[in-house]
Amino acid sequence: SQQGEEDPQALSIQEGENATMNCSYKTSINNLQWYRQNSGRGLVHLILIRSNEREKHSGRLRVTLDTSKKSSSLLITASRAADTASYFCAPNSGGGADGLTFGKGTHLIIQP
Amino acid sequence: DAGITQSPRHKVTETGTPVTLRCHQTENHRYMYWYRQDPGHGLRLIHYSYGVKDTDKGEVSDGYSVSRSKTEDFLLTLESATSSQTSVYFCAISEWWQSNQPQHFGDGTRLSIL
Repeated sequence: SQQGEEDPQALSIQEGENATMNCSYKTSINNLQWYRQNSGRGLVHLILIRSNEREKHSGRLRVTLDTSKKSSSLLITASRAADTASYFCAPNSGGGADGLTFGKGTHLIIQP
Repeated sequence: DAGITQSPRHKVTETGTPVTLRCHQTENHRYMYWYRQDPGHGLRLIHYSYGVKDTDKGEVSDGYSVSRSKTEDFLLTLESATSSQTSVYFCAISEWWQSNQPQHFGDGTRLSIL
């Protein structure tokens, strides 16, 4: 597995605004997963996008994948205070049982 | 939420003492993982297991050992704890090794070594 790099490292927006965070990776992938971590809790799986998909939606989440640029973005629309968390991407080259590799994440703060 | 329980949730101990952390799952998933999370490093894989008595090393395995005698339990042992092992430890499980399987995480064990 390879490590993704999330950008920005920190993001602060007003409640109701949209939040966009990006992930870059280095080598080809089978899929890319996004996770959320609330303070003091474990990671929670949000969405998985396969390499042959360009966009995927889940509720207020929209994930895009551009394999030519080796990048992905996560958009959270109409943000809420409960969205305050750290967000991690995990690009997965597949083929092994050796877990995922997580970067440092994007710390998102939603201001009331 | 996936049935994953980590124990203890918090522990303070002294350098040189042995420490064992436990991960218990009720999902009957084959794959289990131990990660550590440190500021500035993200999550790093310590060891993983792909079945009972089947384990392998991850990125940062030095100073750690693991055991899995039952499907539901995965133990992480620090034989002689050092201050550099102060961290938050997370257990994760997945149903199958295939890369399209998400991982489900426990809520972590905060370990402080003085």
